Amino acid sequence: VQLVESGGGLIQPGGSLRLSCAASGFTVSSDYMNWVRQAPGKGLEWVSIIYSGGSTKYADSVKGRFTISRDNSKNTLYLQMDSLRAEDTAVYYCARESPDRGGMDVWGQGTTVTVSS
Amino acid sequence: QSVLTQPPSVSGAPGLRVTISCTGSRSNIGAGYGVHWYQQLPGTAPKLLIYDNTNRPSGVPDRFSGSKSGTSASLAITGLQAEDEADYYCQSYDSSLSGYVFGSGSKVTVL
Repeated sequence: VQLVESGGGLIQPGGSLRLSCAASGFTVSSDYMNWVRQAPGKGLEWVSIIYSGGSTKYADSVKGRFTISRDNSKNTLYLQMDSLRAEDTAVYYCARESPDRGGMDVWGQGTTVTVSS
Repeated sequence: QSVLTQPPSVSGAPGLRVTISCTGSRSNIGAGYGVHWYQQLPGTAPKLLIYDNTNRPSGVPDRFSGSKSGTSASLAITGLQAEDEADYYCQSYDSSLSGYVFGSGSKVTVL
């Protein structure tokens, strides 16, 4: 069971970036999938979730700018990030949550997004 | 400012017991939503330690235990070991925010 993120990098304010999270050993469409971020030297911040049924939720800080989605055929989770701001600079983790119990039990290694001119 | 409040730091000598509190409100912990705890070692991704208030995933030592009462929860570490030095976070759901919230994080230092 593994998650591998990719797609991070340096981007100018106002730009867009798409993060990917490839899953192995389980099916992303059967579980709840989250994005969590951590700004440099700061704590964890929940960003978004996509439920097994396809519904989504977002943190207020990213609502209207970020879009979570998944490709069932590729067993991959995505985070489309638009209108990026300096305060979006962080390590972004994808994490699995079982519908049968709480808590995020599988995490990726993280991908770094830096928003700067 | 985090919705769930934790002490910034907690310390203890090897072998002793430390506890980390997580204080919320009636829209999260007090509403009955589960509390989950994570350990984050330096430079690594978080690891689930406790789920649904008191449950340990397989492989987590029984030195770690969770409890919940009212609008607060706690993580206890008994028999403190050097390898327990890490940041610890609580997490729950908040109905007012319609999303998950993390605690502010607590750094555990083994003296």
